[in-house]
Amino acid sequence: AQSVTQLGSHVSVSEGALVLLRCNYSSSVPPYLFWYVQYPNQGLQLLLKYTSAATLVKGINGFEAEFKKSETSFHLTKPSAHMSDAAEYFCAVRAGGTSYGKLTFGQGTILTVHP
Amino acid sequence: EPEVTQTPSHQVTQMGQEVILRCVPISNHLYFYWYRQILGQKVEFLVSFYNNEISEKSEIFDDRFSVERPDGSNFTLKIRSTKLEDSAMYFCASSLTTGKDEQYFGPGTRLTVT
Repeated sequence: AQSVTQLGSHVSVSEGALVLLRCNYSSSVPPYLFWYVQYPNQGLQLLLKYTSAATLVKGINGFEAEFKKSETSFHLTKPSAHMSDAAEYFCAVRAGGTSYGKLTFGQGTILTVHP
Repeated sequence: EPEVTQTPSHQVTQMGQEVILRCVPISNHLYFYWYRQILGQKVEFLVSFYNNEISEKSEIFDDRFSVERPDGSNFTLKIRSTKLEDSAMYFCASSLTTGKDEQYFGPGTRLTVT
């Protein structure tokens, strides 16, 4: 079984500051990991994904995440926050090798960006 | 860019009634999913569908729930005998394959059971 823990349900940063959203996973088999973003009244949009290639993954809008197997983590970072980054962010895991691709989500982290 | 669409955006129904939530997945995708998000809680998997049959379902997906792909383009979630606790945002998703491929999500249908 897979599970995801996102540390911090709310994160607040100033515009231009580093964004760090934490995600730890549990999986009995090598995982595929995803970060999704949800803007108000919209669906989930993929930011980036880890699929066992490079451990440092770059995504859209300047975000990146690093897969650390030893720490079972997949934290999301962005060097400089922008006001438009304010949204809710979800980390999700899928067990590698499964046939049907169920995603297991974390609780979500709401990012607030202050001017 | 292709996208997943869902209708209606908001559905209000009385307890005990039946509702059908509709989704149009991306046209060349083969795998289809329903998830739900109760207000303030995490997104939860309900069911996956491939080759015209359910491939996996969660414990939430009890015998009141059913899915169908009636015409090769639409993908529907039917909930019979709705309960107050069915109130949630329901997301449809689709993917070309499984494994590495990401799932593309629709904007959701907010279901309110009164």
